[in-house]
Amino acid sequence: QVQLQESGPGLVKPSETLSLTCTVSGGSIRGYFWSWIRQPPEKGLEYVGYIHYGGSTNYNPSLESRVTISVDTTKNLFSLELRSLTAADTAMYYCARFDKLGSSSVHHLDVWGEGTTVIVSS
Amino acid sequence: QSALTQPASVSGSPGQSITISCTGTSSDVGAYRSVSWFQQHPGKAPKIIIYDVSNRPSGISDRFSGSKSGNTASLTISGLQAVDEADYYCCSYTNINTRVFGTGTRVTVL
Repeated sequence: QVQLQESGPGLVKPSETLSLTCTVSGGSIRGYFWSWIRQPPEKGLEYVGYIHYGGSTNYNPSLESRVTISVDTTKNLFSLELRSLTAADTAMYYCARFDKLGSSSVHHLDVWGEGTTVIVSS
Repeated sequence: QSALTQPASVSGSPGQSITISCTGTSSDVGAYRSVSWFQQHPGKAPKIIIYDVSNRPSGISDRFSGSKSGNTASLTISGLQAVDEADYYCCSYTNINTRVFGTGTRVTVL
């Protein structure tokens, strides 16, 4: 059973860069797409972006200028970098796996990490 | 891309059925059958309960069902139980190959 675990600093200063890592265990990172999703306190889910194990990426247009998602297949992990942070970036950050379910032609978010809290404050 | 529109809250008594709507546009919900629904209990990660509008992943109760008409998808919970009290989010594939989530609906079991 594949499991995902987010890691990174819980507190980051405004204008700085956030770096988070999602470690995949119980399965290979190869063959799948991997995603970051965030959730501000008491608010809804927001898609951040995804990366294919081969390196191709896709980002939320509203975050695209500040986001980079990368993958390290040798370490079985992928990472999120978010630049020029403001208080609005304070959120729970989840990593998740995209997979095709049943006979679906589109990938869906089927496995999620437990999330990591990030607070942007001086 | 704007969030899909869901009612903020829906409530029902045990045993009743409730329906949550998810309204998007012709660029997302209306264009594809790639709508999924997630259940999120407090302090927990979301869990997929419906994919491709109406399909249930293995292990998900058949009390959950989904449908779509035009730009609006719907999730119905039948035989409402206390364990169903949670937040529910829809999610759609979009015409720019991204995903967009709904605003979320809090379900309360009276």
